[in-house]
Amino acid sequence: DIQMTQSPSSLTASVGDRVTITCRASQRVSTYLNWYQQKPGKAPQLLIYAAFSLQSGVPSRFSGSGSGTDFSLTISSLQPEDFATYYCQQGRTFGQGTKVEIK
Amino acid sequence: QVQLVESGGGVVRAGRALRLSCAPSGFTLSNYAMHWVRQAPGKGLEWVAVISHAGSGEYYADSVKGRFSISRDSSKNTLNLQMNSLRPEDTAIYYCARDPSVAGLRWYFDIWGRGTLVTVSS
Repeated sequence: DIQMTQSPSSLTASVGDRVTITCRASQRVSTYLNWYQQKPGKAPQLLIYAAFSLQSGVPSRFSGSGSGTDFSLTISSLQPEDFATYYCQQGRTFGQGTKVEIK
Repeated sequence: QVQLVESGGGVVRAGRALRLSCAPSGFTLSNYAMHWVRQAPGKGLEWVAVISHAGSGEYYADSVKGRFSISRDSSKNTLNLQMNSLRPEDTAIYYCARDPSVAGLRWYFDIWGRGTLVTVSS
């Protein structure tokens, strides 16, 4: 099975900061990599699919990049509503999550 | 409005069974592949099962294989998850989620329900 490793597991940042979360696959997965945001008590929400395609309705400050084994999710200017946990996902496997907290 | 609503969660003793359902609005279930994903309290997301859009294929996580069964009821336009031989480690919020493919599987989830909590007591 493919393993997905996210880093960091948590981070603190301020409103307006540029934030990058990385996800590494244990084997090459082309661009079959997706990103979700989950707020406390809520269901996850799809942000990015196929590594860099922005889901409809998701703000353009979110972007994805990468291919093969190394991927990243970038928030260009962190907003108050972006404090949440972010998960990468490939096939049946999710990363362990990255919690973004307010500094 | 496109949405999913799960039902059927609750508290059950270990070894017993429970059946979850998921009802869509705004789209027809049989046109899409559908997944169940769960989240144990305070933990990350775990994929559980998928049924292809034509019901022609079902796949399960190793942790539930042989105990859980995913199905769809086309007459009621609902997705089901039959969970047998439940274990305490199955305690989680169970989400149904839509795969946007209309043929094959794309393996991402564009619509999620709010989830239903299953608690398995020992």
